[in-house]
Amino acid sequence: GENVEQHPSTLSVQEGDSAVIKCTYSDSASNYFPWYKQELGKGPQLIIDIRSNVGEKKDQRIAVTLNKTAKHFSLHITETQPEDSAVYFCAPHGSARQLTFGSGTQLTVLP
Amino acid sequence: SAVISQKPSRDICQRGTSLTIQCQVDSQVTMMFWYRQQPGQSLTLIATANQGSEATYESGFVIDKFPISRPNLTFSTLTVSNMSPEDSSIYLCSVDPGQGRGGYTFGSGTRLTVV
Repeated sequence: GENVEQHPSTLSVQEGDSAVIKCTYSDSASNYFPWYKQELGKGPQLIIDIRSNVGEKKDQRIAVTLNKTAKHFSLHITETQPEDSAVYFCAPHGSARQLTFGSGTQLTVLP
Repeated sequence: SAVISQKPSRDICQRGTSLTIQCQVDSQVTMMFWYRQQPGQSLTLIATANQGSEATYESGFVIDKFPISRPNLTFSTLTVSNMSPEDSSIYLCSVDPGQGRGGYTFGSGTRLTVV
């Protein structure tokens, strides 16, 4: 099965600064790379995704970059705001259709 | 994307009893998934539920403990049976929108406490 490593486990940034979270995966057949945001008391919500034929995708303040050769992809959040504080999970899709989640990153944006 | 209604949102149960969690989807979906999320941890897949067939369980999870029903393409239930305090967790359902679109949708979760 897919082995997924996510770093860092916790990240604190000042409001307005950038945050980067990295996810490394093992299955070379993985072709879909989403990031989920989970706020307290809620289920994970998809915030951005990328497919293997694209190297970077941006949506306003968030972006995802993919390096298929090195088998990692990263979430970038710029101009962070307090409402960005949450737990973020990567969940690369390998050969199976079910998601394999990373261990999560608790992001805290300090005012 | 699909909208999922998950019930109950939370419950406190006595050990030895069972709790059934329901997920209703606003559209027809082929694949539904049930996850467990222990406090402060990531999500662990319990089973995959396809309509019209037996659920497929992941290693460490068995049907006797977590029976699943999938009577149609918009509904599924997960039962946590003969509960013990170790079953205290958040349980979440999720759906695959299909057709390779990605972007799985999750229910809001059921926070279960077993006392």
